[in-house]
Amino acid sequence: EPEVTQTPSHQVTQMGQEVILRCVPISNHLYFYWYRQILGQKVEFLVSFYNNEISEKSEIFDDQFSVERPDGSNFTLKIRSTKLEDSAMYFCASSVDRGREEKLFFGSGTQLSVL
Amino acid sequence: GENVEQHPSTLSVQEGDSAVIKCTYSDSASNYFPWYKQELGKRPQLIIDIRSNVGEKKDQRIAVTLNKTAKHFSLHITETQPEDSAVYFCAAIGSGNQFYFGTGTSLTVIP
Repeated sequence: EPEVTQTPSHQVTQMGQEVILRCVPISNHLYFYWYRQILGQKVEFLVSFYNNEISEKSEIFDDQFSVERPDGSNFTLKIRSTKLEDSAMYFCASSVDRGREEKLFFGSGTQLSVL
Repeated sequence: GENVEQHPSTLSVQEGDSAVIKCTYSDSASNYFPWYKQELGKRPQLIIDIRSNVGEKKDQRIAVTLNKTAKHFSLHITETQPEDSAVYFCAAIGSGNQFYFGTGTSLTVIP
């Protein structure tokens, strides 16, 4: 069964450093998402991406964050200058069609630790 | 935007008993309600979903019910097994097409 893949599985960085989290969505999916989950808390929406542009973003997704689809398969999340509070599990997800009534498939996540 | 509330936050049941997790939502335009199971350190995985045009859906030991009038939906797990132990999240899609997740229920099935 096709899966969303994410790399790396763990990322440790110093506060103020830039990190790039990578994702390969399922190949026939058109909508891509980033979510984050702080330890013990709910999964929170960050951003959705379609047709090479951001379609929606939450208030969490501030100027420190950016997303890109650099080629036909990868989807990346960049955090420019990490803060301690950015420590979380970051999940990439994809769906065939727009969010409403469409199944969302999650990647295995990248655990980001900011020291 | 949509607000999804989930109860209880923790639930312990004896193996073989049933477990029920309840969620409420606020956006009357929401019409898709998935449930995700997340085992420790792993990705959330879709286990069942329901669309607004039905009131109940069942898949083996798992069932979901939806009451659109009251804006609540529930997950029912019957004949629980130790491998059902996990965190369960409900979600709803609001009018903005985002998935809004509940706060999660940590289910422990005691052998």
